Amino acid sequence: DVKVTQSSRYLVKRTGEKVFLECVQDMDHENMFWYRQDPGLGLRLIYFSYDVKMKEKGDIPEGYSVSREKKERFSLILESASTNQTSMYLCASSPTDRGPGQPQHFGDGTRLSIL
Amino acid sequence: DQQVKQNSPSLSVQEGRISILNCDYTNSMFDYFLWYKKYPAEGPTFLISISSIKDKNEDGRFTVFLNKSAKHLSLHIVPSQPGDSAVYFCAANLASGTYKYIFGTGTRLKVLA
Repeated sequence: DVKVTQSSRYLVKRTGEKVFLECVQDMDHENMFWYRQDPGLGLRLIYFSYDVKMKEKGDIPEGYSVSREKKERFSLILESASTNQTSMYLCASSPTDRGPGQPQHFGDGTRLSIL
Repeated sequence: DQQVKQNSPSLSVQEGRISILNCDYTNSMFDYFLWYKKYPAEGPTFLISISSIKDKNEDGRFTVFLNKSAKHLSLHIVPSQPGDSAVYFCAANLASGTYKYIFGTGTRLKVLA
């Protein structure tokens, strides 16, 4: 079974802090993704990575950066947290070798509150 | 511009009856479509998929129908059970592009016992 683990289920931080969200997958997947989920807006892609040290912007990258130094780990960084970044953050991974159309596997999410 | 739309934010269905969740898309180049189910405080879990070369895919109580001319897909759950109560997301992927999916806004299904 694919396991995607997000380091924290709940996190409370203050405005202006630098925040790190960590995600680890154990299935040797090439692709990893960060989303945020907000009511009425669904899942919106922040960043994704298709290989170590490779990254591409998603639909809402402003205020975020990412790091992928190892294949199994994908980190999301909020450079200077703001209240509008309060949200549920979801990490996902998917393989490349089985071709397109493969589902993404999600972690259980981190509910981040910025005060 | 929302390329994948789920126009019904919520749906209530009696236990044992059929649940029909709908999804519309705008890009005729989408090649794969997926449905995910999400319980509160958990990540989305994959439910069922369909390729654009098919018009129907079935897995137990779940069937997905694809109407390419209308750019519309639907998920049928028969019979509906209280444990099906969750938020359902549809997602679309361009096979010729990256491995990204574009997600809809979700429909909250409530199955009444």
